[in-house]
Amino acid sequence: QMQLVQSGAEVKKPGASVKVSCKASGDTFTNYYMHWVRQAPGQGLEWMGIVNPSGGSTNYAQKLQGRVTMTRDTSTRTVYMELSSLRSEDTAVYYCARGGYYDSGSYYHPFLCTQWGQGTLVTVSS
Amino acid sequence: SNELTQPPSVSVSPGQTASITCSGDKLGDKYACWYQQKPGQSPVLVIYEEKKRPSGIPERFSGSKSGNTATLTISGTQAMDEADYYCQAWDSSSVVFGGGTKVTVL
Repeated sequence: QMQLVQSGAEVKKPGASVKVSCKASGDTFTNYYMHWVRQAPGQGLEWMGIVNPSGGSTNYAQKLQGRVTMTRDTSTRTVYMELSSLRSEDTAVYYCARGGYYDSGSYYHPFLCTQWGQGTLVTVSS
Repeated sequence: SNELTQPPSVSVSPGQTASITCSGDKLGDKYACWYQQKPGQSPVLVIYEEKKRPSGIPERFSGSKSGNTATLTISGTQAMDEADYYCQAWDSSSVVFGGGTKVTVL
C-alpha cells in the first residue's frame, strides 16, 4: 500500500509562486499516475492535473494552463505541483492522489483517485 | 457540458437508506466513482466503476448508473456515514467532480 506524505502549510503573497511536494513510499513510485486536486475553504473538489511519474508527461486542467507545473523526481519518489501568479482565489487545501490500480498485473483507470495525501493548506494573502 | 450535478444536501434517519444522484450530459459514456469526505479529512474512494467497492468499504455502500445518472446508495445509514460525497467522471484527458452532497444523519 502506497503512503503519500505532503509538505507543510504555506502562506504566500499575491503574485508569488508556491511549490507543494508529495512523497510516496510503500509501492513502486513509477507505476502510478499522480493527480493534484484542490479544495477552497467550504467548497468542493477541483481537479488540477495529472503527471506520469514514469515519463514525466502531464495533463493540466484548462483553467490552470499556463500557471501550473507538475513535475517528479524519481530518485526521491516525489511529485511536485507549482502554481504561479497566486491570487486570493488560490487559497485552498491542495491534495496529491494516486491514480488507478493494478489487477492481475494490468493497470486500470489512471484517472481514478484511489489514494490521497493528507493535504497541504496554501493561503494567499497580502 | 462537462459538468456533474449533485443535490447539495440529503438528510436521512439512522438505519434508513440515503440515495445521492449525480447527473451529467455524457455520464452514460464514462465510468463514475464516488468519494466520501469527512470534516478535516482527505477524501476516500467508496465506489468505482459504478458499483465496485474498494477493500475496507462497508457493504452498505452501493452504486448504480442508468443513462446519464449515477447513484450512490447507503443502506442502513449510520451516524459515521455523515459526510460530504462527491461523484467523479473522466474522459481521455481530464477529470470532473460533482459539486458534492452533504449527507446529514438526523
